Amino acid sequence: DVKVTQSSRYLVKRTGEKVFLECVQDMDHENMFWYRQDPGLGLRLIYFSYDVKMKEKGDIPEGYSVSREKKERFSLILESASTNQTSMYLCASTHRTRQSYNEKLFFGSGTQLSVL
Amino acid sequence: SQQGEEDPQALSIQEGENATMNCSYKTSINNLQWYRQNSGRGLVHLILIRSNEREKHSGRLRVTLDTSKKSSSLLITASRAADTASYFCATDPISGGYNKLIFGAGTRLAVHP
Repeated sequence: DVKVTQSSRYLVKRTGEKVFLECVQDMDHENMFWYRQDPGLGLRLIYFSYDVKMKEKGDIPEGYSVSREKKERFSLILESASTNQTSMYLCASTHRTRQSYNEKLFFGSGTQLSVL
Repeated sequence: SQQGEEDPQALSIQEGENATMNCSYKTSINNLQWYRQNSGRGLVHLILIRSNEREKHSGRLRVTLDTSKKSSSLLITASRAADTASYFCATDPISGGYNKLIFGAGTRLAVHP
């Protein structure tokens, strides 16, 4: 079975802490994504990466950074966590296609982050 | 504003009934996808329909796409309690750029035994 694994299901952090969310996929996918999900807002793209060491900002990158040192691993970093970053964080991956459209995403189980 | 918007926001039915969820979007698309999310979990891909397709089936799922109305519907036939979940549509807009799937806020489906 293909798998996207997020390191933590639940995480509680204090305001101002540096937070690392890890995501690993075993499908040799080129593209990886970080979304956050809030009630009534759907999924919003934070960052995505289309290759090792390559990244692009999504719709809401402020307050976040990412790291992709290896193809299978994509990390989301909250430099100084704030209460408005309390949310469900979802990692996803997919193969890069030659055409300019997007195929289906494979998601991890999510990390529910609470910042107190 | 969101590209995909699901309707209704919530749906409550009895086992055995059919469930229909709708998705409207604003711009031209390459494809439209439906995902399912069990409570507190990640999303699981259900079905993808391309812009040149009008209808697609997968087991008890039937998806239609009307590009002239910029809308899609997901029909789940003979629903089961295990179908209880949130369902999201995601659009791949032609002008959205690579890797820019846009998700709606979802429909919460409750199927009662």
